Amino acid sequence: GQQVMQIPQYQHVQEGEDFTTYCNSSTTLSNIQWYKQRPGGHPVFLIQLVKSGEVKKQKRLTFQFGEAKKNSSLHITATQTTDVGTYFCAVDRGSTLGRLYFGRGTQLTVWP
Amino acid sequence: DGGITQSPKYLFRKEGQNVTLSCEQNLNHDAMYWYRQDPGQGLRLIYYSQIVNDFQKGDIAEGYSVSREKKESFPLTVTSAQKNPTAFYLCASTLGGAGELFFGEGSRLTVL
Repeated sequence: GQQVMQIPQYQHVQEGEDFTTYCNSSTTLSNIQWYKQRPGGHPVFLIQLVKSGEVKKQKRLTFQFGEAKKNSSLHITATQTTDVGTYFCAVDRGSTLGRLYFGRGTQLTVWP
Repeated sequence: DGGITQSPKYLFRKEGQNVTLSCEQNLNHDAMYWYRQDPGQGLRLIYYSQIVNDFQKGDIAEGYSVSREKKESFPLTVTSAQKNPTAFYLCASTLGGAGELFFGEGSRLTVL
């Protein structure tokens, strides 16, 4: 089945530093979604990427989908303490619509 | 406000007992899902349902059961056959296709 590897598992940064998490697949993806889960909370949808080479921005967050549609990244510029949480990528397995496979997530800690 | 309501938020049970987690949505979504989350791991799919009176096993269905008698409700029963039931359980729904998942706030089950 469709799987993705997400790295790193943990990232600790000083406030103001940048942060990047990566998702990699061995097969071509139809699309990829990104979610954020605050400590003690539930995952919240951030964005979906569909097109090869797509780049989308949400304020300090930049999402990229690779040209081969096998990898994706989430980059946060100048992190803030409000960015703390776990970021997950999720991919559509394709066998049944709506069945997402989640990466293990990257847990981001931001030191003030 | 539309959303997904999970109850209870916290639940304790003794070994050998079955427990049912409630999930109700008023988003008029067709598809509903149950995920399990363990520390340091991504979300793993337990069961999903795309229409009323139909549901499919996910990756870790053993020891769990579900029903979908109404569009808005998708309860999950954790049976005594589940060997390691202590976890955070998340219910989600989606309008259809490969759209974004909307999550409830989760139910944290602890087996004593």
